[in-house]
Amino acid sequence: GESVGLHLPTLSVQEGDNSIINCAYSNSASDYFIWYKQESGKGPQFIIDIRSNMDKRQGQRVTVLLNKTVKHLSLQIAATQPGDSAVYFCAEEEWNSGGGADGLTFGKGTHLIIQP
Amino acid sequence: NAGVMQNPRHLVRRRGQEARLRCSPMKGHSHVYWYRQLPEEGLKFMVYLQKENIIDESGMPKERFSAEFPKEGPSILRIQQVVRGDSAAYFCASSPGRGMNTEAFFGQGTRLTVV
Repeated sequence: GESVGLHLPTLSVQEGDNSIINCAYSNSASDYFIWYKQESGKGPQFIIDIRSNMDKRQGQRVTVLLNKTVKHLSLQIAATQPGDSAVYFCAEEEWNSGGGADGLTFGKGTHLIIQP
Repeated sequence: NAGVMQNPRHLVRRRGQEARLRCSPMKGHSHVYWYRQLPEEGLKFMVYLQKENIIDESGMPKERFSAEFPKEGPSILRIQQVVRGDSAAYFCASSPGRGMNTEAFFGQGTRLTVV
């Protein structure tokens, strides 16, 4: 079935370095993509989103890139800090003809570890 | 403005008992989504509700699981005759309109353990 998945389960980076977390999706009809951060014992926290009509979107220290040709999504975190340690999930949503969407499809997640 | 409130945070049930998980959406939000998360996995969509209506329950198991979002009060996810495989974290999210977007937020989850 169609799903969203991640390439690496764990990513370890030095504090201060940049990190890139990748995500592959298979639903070509997906209209909207979100990156979430989940810390241990907590719910997912919205980081950044991007719509299918965009290739790139920047936030504070984070950038999301969307390549629709190869159905690939990435999250770049600049100058990583200890507080960035968490599991990161990509999620996709398909908007229906009624102008709404019914739920997200999540990938398995990448555990980002920031080393001092 | 309080966020999405879920209770209890932790719930232990014996096999065969019933589990009731509650979710109070953010103020002004009338759309509620329930997700289940197994250890080391992503969240899996279960059900999407608006006040007094189930919009999409395509992710709900056909038996033992039910959800409601009454006109007054929180949304309830009910699991009857729980089995060990129901052990998971259950998250609720709410949004002011249809679709998960920048205005949608997740609660802290209820961790169900079936013993």
